[in-house]
Amino acid sequence: DQQVKQNSPSLSVQEGRISILNCDYTNSMFDYFLWYKKYPAEGPTFLISISSIKDKNEDGRFTVFLNKSAKHLSLHIVPSQPGDSAVYFCAASERGRGSNYKLTFGKGTLLTVNP
Amino acid sequence: DGGITQSPKYLFRKEGQNVTLSCEQNLNHDAMYWYRQDPGQGLRLIYYSQIVNDFQKGDIAEGYSVSREKKESFPLTVTSAQKNPTAFYLCASSRLLGRGETEAFFGQGTRLTVV
Repeated sequence: DQQVKQNSPSLSVQEGRISILNCDYTNSMFDYFLWYKKYPAEGPTFLISISSIKDKNEDGRFTVFLNKSAKHLSLHIVPSQPGDSAVYFCAASERGRGSNYKLTFGKGTLLTVNP
Repeated sequence: DGGITQSPKYLFRKEGQNVTLSCEQNLNHDAMYWYRQDPGQGLRLIYYSQIVNDFQKGDIAEGYSVSREKKESFPLTVTSAQKNPTAFYLCASSRLLGRGETEAFFGQGTRLTVV
């Protein structure tokens, strides 16, 4: 049973426009959310995160929005650039045993930014 | 430079053989993780460890084993019991914070092909 869902396997946008990547979750114990970017045959790199006590976090061209009541978050990239073309993973964390935690990932969305 | 290193990048093994994937980090991170990526499946957690000589099963631990004898190292053994071992394996590490708010840093991955 998928606890983190990225329902769009792919998204294509024009350079300079906004990219919006969506993520839904089912586990109400998740308290921290992250977005990772991944190129083929490489490890994911961290992009941006948001705590459950916030509803927005911004870092340059990247903004993450969290709607706790809807259990939904989104990543906005504006303006989109061709170098942003990659697979984007949404991830969520919950308190585990003691102070550890583990990340649960969605299946990813392939973003293609066309010049 | 601080980082997390996986070796080798590509690995081929015959069916029925055990194989060990290496993961080393010099970030002084307490927690380490192993994920597996399959096409269309996102990242699935195999094992994780928050402290030396302690580790927990993730969502798909069957057919795998790990050890954590040193803080810097978290090798993963893919045993002959793993039914579908061919995949892209990712190791990650993170700090442990009381509130669980920290990102995981990933290695470059190991592509294992079993023939």
